[in-house]
Amino acid sequence: AQTVTQSQPEMSVQEAETVTLSCTYDTSENNYYLFWYKQPPSRQMILVIRQEAYKQQNATENRFSVNFQKAAKSFSLKISDSQLGDTAMYFCAFMRGGGTSYGKLTFGQGTILTVHP
Amino acid sequence: GAVVSQHPSWVICKSGTSVKIECRSLDFQATTMFWYRQFPKQSLMLMATSNEGSKATYEQGVEKDKFLINHASLTLSTLTVTSAHPEDSSFYICSATGPYGYEQYFGPGTRLTVT
Repeated sequence: AQTVTQSQPEMSVQEAETVTLSCTYDTSENNYYLFWYKQPPSRQMILVIRQEAYKQQNATENRFSVNFQKAAKSFSLKISDSQLGDTAMYFCAFMRGGGTSYGKLTFGQGTILTVHP
Repeated sequence: GAVVSQHPSWVICKSGTSVKIECRSLDFQATTMFWYRQFPKQSLMLMATSNEGSKATYEQGVEKDKFLINHASLTLSTLTVTSAHPEDSSFYICSATGPYGYEQYFGPGTRLTVT
């Protein structure tokens, strides 16, 4: 079974600064995907970024980038130029790359991020 | 594109009654949908995998007879909470699998309050 661990229950950052959220995972799979999702107060889950395990290059999406360390099973999210709208709960998630569990997400515990003006 | 809706967004029911929650993929077909449960400030816990035309697969510890899942079409999955009790009060979220498999599109969630 896969596990995903987010060790930072809460974090805060000043507007325009950079913050990094940590995530580690455990799996024996070689083919998988990793995700960061954002859940704002509306509680709608929003995909922030996706990383395919077979890709060595770290994924980036505008102000969001990841540091994917496959050997260390680490997948951190960096938010640059933080904005008030980034205030949300962030979840790291794992998905197997195929098989009967394809599509099934295993979530970490979540990190509540607050951006202060 | 890739919109998933849930209905209702909020429901209050009395203890002992049943309530049905619908999850619809509005602009794509989803052979697989997932149902999650979330308590305040906690993570999403997968309850079951809903496959069109077949029985749902429940996660360990989830009562099949209490949480009935039906996936009658490629765009609709329903979760029925039977004989609801206050401890069933929670936020229920569905997701639908997109054409490439790795995309999961989430509904906006349904808040269930059992009095």
